[in-house]
Amino acid sequence: GAGVSQSPSNKVTEKGKDVELRCDPISGHTALYWYRQSLGQGLEFLIYFQGNSAPDKSGLPSDRFSAERTGGSVSTLTIQRTQQEDSAVYLCASSLAGTSVYNEQFFGPGTRLTVL
Amino acid sequence: GENVEQHPSTLSVQEGDSAVIKCTYSDSASNYFPWYKQELGKGPQLIIDIRSNVGEKKDQRIAVTLNKTAKHFSLHITETQPEDSAVYFCAATRTGANSKLTFGKGITLSVRP
Repeated sequence: GAGVSQSPSNKVTEKGKDVELRCDPISGHTALYWYRQSLGQGLEFLIYFQGNSAPDKSGLPSDRFSAERTGGSVSTLTIQRTQQEDSAVYLCASSLAGTSVYNEQFFGPGTRLTVL
Repeated sequence: GENVEQHPSTLSVQEGDSAVIKCTYSDSASNYFPWYKQELGKGPQLIIDIRSNVGEKKDQRIAVTLNKTAKHFSLHITETQPEDSAVYFCAATRTGANSKLTFGKGITLSVRP
């Protein structure tokens, strides 16, 4: 079946511009996560959505970062006034439910963001 | 919060040899430890996991061991093949943490043909 998809696969933008990254989770998955992967770094947690609960935004690095999830499915990560240090691969993952740590997280291929 | 350390950052082995990747964690309450494999241009994929109530788990050529006393866990790959070349991430979390995994920085495994 279809896995997690993300778009665009690559995004090049100029410093100061806003960008939107999209994630389509696996159908039926109620939990959705955003991670950032910088060169030589691990996967940095950004934000987590679970059903209709308030999202866990504890990993967002600054108020320039925000995310929403409409209708419990598609999610959009928005970065305002992009900076060069925002350059990274942004990964989205989904799982059946966030109430059990044992539910596998399925990752999308990521969006590579380059800020010039 | 949890802190997961993964060393070294790169590992090179000859095809057919075994590879061992080690991770340490800081939160003694962590009870779930998955391993993810990331191939070039793709997202990470779960390859094996272990819960704190067992010390070892095997799946064909891969196995994971857990030492709760020392707070470290390891991934073992036997009879390595070129297709095992990838970045491997370990992670840790504990029940009730909303499944928020803390990842190590990853190790790049290269299998020389």
